[in-house]
Amino acid sequence: SQQGEEDPQALSIQEGENATMNCSYKTSINNLQWYRQNSGRGLVHLILIRSNEREKHSGRLRVTLDTSKKSSSLLITASRAADTASYFCATGPASNSGYALNFGKGTSLLVTP
Amino acid sequence: EADIYQTPRYLVIGTGKKITLECSQTMGHDKMYWYQQDPGMELHLIHYSYGVNSTEKGDLSSESTVSRIRTEHFPLTLESARPSHTSQYLCASSVQGGYTIYFGEGSWLTVV
Repeated sequence: SQQGEEDPQALSIQEGENATMNCSYKTSINNLQWYRQNSGRGLVHLILIRSNEREKHSGRLRVTLDTSKKSSSLLITASRAADTASYFCATGPASNSGYALNFGKGTSLLVTP
Repeated sequence: EADIYQTPRYLVIGTGKKITLECSQTMGHDKMYWYQQDPGMELHLIHYSYGVNSTEKGDLSSESTVSRIRTEHFPLTLESARPSHTSQYLCASSVQGGYTIYFGEGSWLTVV
């Protein structure tokens, strides 16, 4: 069942600006991941944060997780035109049975030169 | 780059035709998945497999079927395609006990 929900649905910024996307979810999780999808392509894994972590960095990406609020945010710093894509959060359930990721609807990011 | 391949990438077929979307991965992953995604929308899990001879239906009901006879191969079949099956189908895999899922490039199916 889908439980991740990204906000905003669409975001348009200029190169060099920071982009922040949020994700809310409903049930207990083991981990939360962010994926990127270029138009018409498959998804590419960006970063994973475990339920016992609060913040994680990878290059220009910064992810936070607040399990008390059941929310996460993805920050892309110093954005580039090549960052234009859809970004999805995906939650891994706390229950180990039938593990499969649940994806949100995604945030569509447009970075203009 | 993930070593997971889907064919065909694009397919336009007539209503009532039988089609098989192929998916192969060379990473030796035990788990494989099929997701369905309409343009600009979320992904819906329609099938998954934990290994050879294991297949399960996902959260979204689908008229498609899958098989897992070999670890590396997870084809999806539609016996009689309908316009409502028009969508993008994404195959993915992951290692047993792992959390990250690796996706193929997707197969765009249009049924006319």
